[in-house]
Amino acid sequence: EVQLVESGGGLVQPGGSLRLSCAASGFTSSNYWLSWVRQAPGKGLEWVANIKQDGSEKYYVDSVKGRFTISRDNAYNSLYLQMNSLRAEDTAVYYCAREGVTTPYYFDKWGQGTLVTVSS
Amino acid sequence: DIQMTQSPSSLSASVGDRVTITCRASQSISSYLNWYQQKPGKAPKLLIYAASILQSGVPSRFSGSGSGTDFALTISCLQPEDFATYYCQQSYSTPRAFGQGTKVEIK
Repeated sequence: EVQLVESGGGLVQPGGSLRLSCAASGFTSSNYWLSWVRQAPGKGLEWVANIKQDGSEKYYVDSVKGRFTISRDNAYNSLYLQMNSLRAEDTAVYYCAREGVTTPYYFDKWGQGTLVTVSS
Repeated sequence: DIQMTQSPSSLSASVGDRVTITCRASQSISSYLNWYQQKPGKAPKLLIYAASILQSGVPSRFSGSGSGTDFALTISCLQPEDFATYYCQQSYSTPRAFGQGTKVEIK
């Protein structure tokens, strides 16, 4: 069974840092682009970042560029999101999602999400 | 960056109704358009990809259409389990973008 399990969320003060992890199982994660998608409380979905199969390409939404870093370790079937200089507006449930091998891309598997709360 | 606009933002419908949600892209995205369903407290679920291809396991009452900038998701005969929020999403380019969502409520 394909599974994505996020961890690492929690309460952090503004300006602080947090590292999210996503453990993939039931498929060969190194074959897939992977993404982080977030959802602020009561709001819609916002794509945050994605990373190519070998980690050679990474893309970010403008609002997190320079603060967040996406990475992966295919040996451990894991995806990460290092979040620095956190702001109140980064408060959200963060989902990791499997995006696909090649075009057309779509998010066909999602984790259960991990909540990040940025507050003093 | 490509912007996605859904309409309506919410709608009320009855079981058995035919429901259509539209999604417009700010520039042509060919057929790189996906639809998701999300229920409260749950992760989104893929319904349709590449504008019109039904994801495995999704009931055939869901269908998608469109290309270029204008797309639609249709539920042919609304069932109780279909009351949820629906999102479109473009995969033509990065940054990936979602529509703002359409909440389908019980009339």
